[in-house]
Amino acid sequence: NAGVTQTPKFRILKIGQSMTLQCTQDMNHNYMYWYRQDPGMGLKLIYYSVGAGITDKGEVPNGYNVSRSTTEDFPLRLELAAPSQTSVYFCASRRRTGTPDTEAFFGQGTRLTVV
Amino acid sequence: DQQVKQNSPSLSVQEGRISILNCDYTNSMFDYFLWYKKYPAEGPTFLISISSIKDKNEDGRFTVFLNKSAKHLSLHIVPSQPGDSAVYFCAASEGGATNKLIFGTGTLLAVQP
Repeated sequence: NAGVTQTPKFRILKIGQSMTLQCTQDMNHNYMYWYRQDPGMGLKLIYYSVGAGITDKGEVPNGYNVSRSTTEDFPLRLELAAPSQTSVYFCASRRRTGTPDTEAFFGQGTRLTVV
Repeated sequence: DQQVKQNSPSLSVQEGRISILNCDYTNSMFDYFLWYKKYPAEGPTFLISISSIKDKNEDGRFTVFLNKSAKHLSLHIVPSQPGDSAVYFCAASEGGATNKLIFGTGTLLAVQP
């Protein structure tokens, strides 16, 4: 069982370039999340999705876009990379139940450096 | 506006003693709380959780306490082991249709042998 898979693991971008961080899960979870973790800081929610076709902004959405065309995939798009987007990005998924008593499972992260 | 706060960036304890990690929240709509453990270069892994209808949940060496009136929760690790050294994140979930999951800033726990 692969769980949550993120690609790539590392990436260096130049200012102004664009890229897509991939995230896929094989647990048939409805909820998916994107977080960023800056050095010495906590996890900040960028975007989240409650199901295919439904996405919403989190705490720090500026400079990012997402889409959710399938249950399995939740890619994160950076259109014009800036040094402030240098961070480690984590994708997570969570099972939907009648009550929110479930944990989220995380991928291994993508370390992005913008120079 | 930081809805979930961990005011202690770091904590050092001796092996075998109790580790107590604290977390405060501001959003009264949060109804489920989780603790995650994170090692360097890895994704966070789930440790223990508690529903807002409870005030305590125990799993082996780990116990989470919730004080809803104070909007405060804590994680107790007894006895602490060197392998527990990691960053611990508190997280809170707002129920309903959104199920947003908001994390705190983390506490670095160092367990000294």
